[in-house]
Amino acid sequence: DGGITQSPKYLFRKEGQNVTLSCEQNLNHDAMYWYRQDPGQGLRLIYYSQIVNDFQKGDIAEGYSVSREKKESFPLTVTSAQKNPTAFYLCASSSRGASYGYTFGSGTRLTVV
Amino acid sequence: EDKVVQSPLSLVVHEGDTVTLNCSYEVTNFRSLLWYKQEKKAPTFLFMLTSSGIEKKSGRLSSILDKKELFSILNITATQTGDSAVYLCAVEYGGSGSRLTFGEGTQLTVNP
Repeated sequence: DGGITQSPKYLFRKEGQNVTLSCEQNLNHDAMYWYRQDPGQGLRLIYYSQIVNDFQKGDIAEGYSVSREKKESFPLTVTSAQKNPTAFYLCASSSRGASYGYTFGSGTRLTVV
Repeated sequence: EDKVVQSPLSLVVHEGDTVTLNCSYEVTNFRSLLWYKQEKKAPTFLFMLTSSGIEKKSGRLSSILDKKELFSILNITATQTGDSAVYLCAVEYGGSGSRLTFGEGTQLTVNP
């Protein structure tokens, strides 16, 4: 079945450590996105990529980094520079012109301990 | 500044009630407006709206877009407890590098 896979589902990190969240899709979508969701809030865009080897900052990119070396993969690194990283992270992908919107992964819940 | 605003932020109703959720937006180069339902994890797609005045309907849910007033509503009739969720409105906009911006969401609680 086609879809987006995020891993891990739950992640614990000590302060000062970098951590990488995985996002893989087999939908042949060109565009991929990373969002952050805090309790009681909507989704905020961190980074997005329209094509391989290219990506743009979203609204809250500080303290995060991404890469897009393959069409299927868009990993997100949460660096030690991110002051408040505890949140729910969602990855999404889309195909231009699609009538069904964006497809989301099941998310990764990151907790800093 | 591009923004998407939803109202109300939370709503509590009884089963059988009809609810209307609101979404207004201000963006450059509007492409589409999307509604999602989020229960526990990933949002699930409900509707994509691109044209004004054309109602989209799926069972008890319906939605319409007004591109002149920059506004959309999501209606749910005969609500059920299973409709309890966060409803997210998102707007896709931009030129060649389009992006999707979300509102804060409306937390709907349907009591038996």
